[in-house]
Amino acid sequence: AQSVTQLDSQVPVFEEAPVELRCNYSSSVSVYLFWYVQYPNQGLQLLLKYLSGSTLVESINGFEAEFNKSQTSFHLRKPSVHISDTAEYFCAVSYTGRRALTFGSGTRLQVQP
Amino acid sequence: DGGITQSPKYLFRKEGQNVTLSCEQNLNHDAMYWYRQDPGQGLRLIYYSQIVNDFQKGDIAEGYSVSREKKESFPLTVTSAQKNPTAFYLCASSYEGTGANVLTFGAGSRLTVL
Repeated sequence: AQSVTQLDSQVPVFEEAPVELRCNYSSSVSVYLFWYVQYPNQGLQLLLKYLSGSTLVESINGFEAEFNKSQTSFHLRKPSVHISDTAEYFCAVSYTGRRALTFGSGTRLQVQP
Repeated sequence: DGGITQSPKYLFRKEGQNVTLSCEQNLNHDAMYWYRQDPGQGLRLIYYSQIVNDFQKGDIAEGYSVSREKKESFPLTVTSAQKNPTAFYLCASSYEGTGANVLTFGAGSRLTVL
């Protein structure tokens, strides 16, 4: 079955420290990959996406993710986090033949001062 | 501004009652989706629709029903057959075409069964 695994349910980190949120997906011939962010009691907002081309993609607020086909991973990183980055982050995959996205269970990023 | 409107934001229901959640979009998107969110389980697909008057079951469709009579609207009914309906419900939409399917989400509706 197609699945997305986010290995960490919670990641506490101090402000200005680097962070990595991990995402692995079940193998498929081709996939599109996404990271969404959710603030409390709100919907999901697209953070960044990998469709094709360069395996390293970036968001406007300093996050980046790298598509690694051999490891079937799409980990999210930020070199220096801010208090405002506190939120839940979801990795999602679009598998061939299925138009709806398959989501991971989410990682709650808690940035502490 | 274009977007997706979900209503109501909060809803309380007694056991045995049906309830309908509204989802309206003015993005001119073809496809619409309903997801259910529970703590620690991420988002699970309930139903989706790629075109008016057509829809498909997702992974957890039992106890739910939908309709798609207009392109802009995709209401979800939570029936009394849904055993554990308390959850946060998210509606999304996207263009339907070749290539990647980028979803835009509404703000969600939180349903609590008393």
